[in-house]
Amino acid sequence: DGGITQSPKYLFRKEGQNVTLSCEQNLNHDAMYWYRQDPGQGLRLIYYSQIVNDFQKGDIAEGYSVSREKKESFPLTVTSAQKNPTAFYLCASSPRQGPSNQPQHFGDGTRLSIL
Amino acid sequence: AQTVTQSQPEMSVQEAETVTLSCTYDTSESDYYLFWYKQPPSRQMILVIRQEAYKQQNATENRFSVNFQKAAKSFSLKISDSQLGDAAMYFCAYRSSRSEKLVFGKGTKLTVNP
Repeated sequence: DGGITQSPKYLFRKEGQNVTLSCEQNLNHDAMYWYRQDPGQGLRLIYYSQIVNDFQKGDIAEGYSVSREKKESFPLTVTSAQKNPTAFYLCASSPRQGPSNQPQHFGDGTRLSIL
Repeated sequence: AQTVTQSQPEMSVQEAETVTLSCTYDTSESDYYLFWYKQPPSRQMILVIRQEAYKQQNATENRFSVNFQKAAKSFSLKISDSQLGDAAMYFCAYRSSRSEKLVFGKGTKLTVNP
């Protein structure tokens, strides 16, 4: 079955450490997205990518980095510069959107906590 | 910048009854798309229903329907014959036709009482 796989499900970070969250999709979607969800908040966009080797900052990109070397993969690195990384992270994908009502499809998420 | 407001942090409904969740948005654009997503305790985001701004007819998906009022910038979700499995966080989202970015509201937590 096609879908989006995020791993790990739970992740712990030590102070000063970079960690990478994995996101893989087999839906043949061009666009991929990373969101952060905090309690009582909606989803906020961190980064998104419309095609391979290209990505754009979202609303809260500081302290995060991404790469898009393959169509299927869009890993997110939470760097030590992100001072409050504890949150639930959701990855999504969609066909190229623009003038289209194509929805985004979401993975099951990764919960990141500070040790 | 576009914003999405869900004014009801929590709602409750009796099983088999009907409930309406509110959503308003702010935009200066005329062409856009609106979505309702459901997030059950499993935390996965599931698309419930979508609406194109250029369509006057309200979208319907089985027990879920919307009341889209473009002039008022309102996009409410009606759930009929509520079931226990409908209990979840519900998020309203907006996307301009000129952007790849989804803008989410803060969500409404729906409880379904047996």
